[in-house]
Amino acid sequence: KAGVTQTPRYLIKTRGQQVTLSCSPISGHRSVSWYQQTPGQGLQFLFEYFSETQRNKGNFPGRFSGRQFSNSRSEMNVSTLELGDSALYLCASSTIPGQKETQYFGPGTRLLVL
Amino acid sequence: SQQGEEDPQALSIQEGENATMNCSYKTSINNLQWYRQNSGRGLVHLILIRSNEREKHSGRLRVTLDTSKKSSSLLITASRAADTASYFCATDAGNTGKLIFGQGTTLQVKP
Repeated sequence: KAGVTQTPRYLIKTRGQQVTLSCSPISGHRSVSWYQQTPGQGLQFLFEYFSETQRNKGNFPGRFSGRQFSNSRSEMNVSTLELGDSALYLCASSTIPGQKETQYFGPGTRLLVL
Repeated sequence: SQQGEEDPQALSIQEGENATMNCSYKTSINNLQWYRQNSGRGLVHLILIRSNEREKHSGRLRVTLDTSKKSSSLLITASRAADTASYFCATDAGNTGKLIFGQGTTLQVKP
């Protein structure tokens, strides 16, 4: 099976712009979670989607949003970008939501905000 | 806040030696997972150990879990230069899809 794919892999934006990142889960996986990784804060949970519904949300401002489509693909959007949003954004997929099964991660999208 | 605390933060060994890294966590868990990350790339899943398991092996990896001490350890035997990476433990937060990561251990294996 193909792994989790994320597009784009690299992105450069300026402050105030918005950005949309995409994640395609492993075939058959219906749960997608997003994480932000920065040197200072480490890996932090953004949100989790299952069956097109957001199940859980991390402690991030409303500028961070996401959605999931009927084919389980997910997008996350960050509006009004700030310098501190520069990070590696990782998505992970699993067969079911919750923590009973392994989460498999994609290669990430590296976002640089100038 | 991070649930996991990993120790040591950095580890440097020679090829062929064993590497041990430890992870402690704060709340009860369903399972604990270990991941590897090479140079800021994606996370590669190594092993999942459930709360009712005490030890698990996968190739050169051995993971132990002590729920009474809320700690886990990852042992890599006969290390190789290709094992150079950051290693993270991750625990769940109840019955959610939220993984809580430790700050990671950076392992350098010198050839």
